[in-house]
Amino acid sequence: NAGVTQTPKFQVLKTGQSMTLQCAQDMNHEYMSWYRQDPGMGLRLIHYSVGAGITDQGEVPNGYNVSRSTTEDFPLRLLSAAPSQTSVYFCASSYSLLAGNTDTQYFGPGTRLTVL
Amino acid sequence: AQSVSQHNHHVILSEAASLELGCNYSYGGTVNLFWYVQYPGQHLQLLLKYFSGDPLVKGIKGFEAEFIKSKFSFNLRKPSVQWSDTAEYFCAVNAGAAGNKLTFGGGTRVLVKP
Repeated sequence: NAGVTQTPKFQVLKTGQSMTLQCAQDMNHEYMSWYRQDPGMGLRLIHYSVGAGITDQGEVPNGYNVSRSTTEDFPLRLLSAAPSQTSVYFCASSYSLLAGNTDTQYFGPGTRLTVL
Repeated sequence: AQSVSQHNHHVILSEAASLELGCNYSYGGTVNLFWYVQYPGQHLQLLLKYFSGDPLVKGIKGFEAEFIKSKFSFNLRKPSVQWSDTAEYFCAVNAGAAGNKLTFGGGTRVLVKP
């Protein structure tokens, strides 16, 4: 298994440009999520999905869109990049359990994004 | 909303010293607790987790953590650190009703001097 993979590893954008960060997992996990990591703030949840066709907002969803057409893929789209979106982005996945239970989340290697 | 606090932003130790990192959370119900580690240039890896049972949890690489429900704490410990423990450590909490959503603390950067 490759686990959770993310592309690209690094990206530089100009303000206003759009791009999609790719995330894929081959563990048949129902739950997938996107976090951003900023110094001193830990990881903050952007969007998550409990299965194909189902997505929901996390703590900091503004400026980001997601979709989940397959179990394996969970792309994150920046429609109009802003300098405030400069960050390291991590995708994670796990089995999706009923409320009251949870499972270990597996993280991808991250995408370092700079918006000028 | 639940929150997680890690008291130390930076810790500097010498090899063989003992390490303890504090983690407190704010949520009154059932919680699942995690410690993740991020080595320089790498992604997050799970160190240990607590779901239920014995509140003293042992993880990989000699780490352990103790869940004290009355103090809303889940502190991480290692009796004797190595240079290879240099990393950033994150405490994370999943509230029982929140499905798989994790709330992370701000992280603690640990530097172990050889």
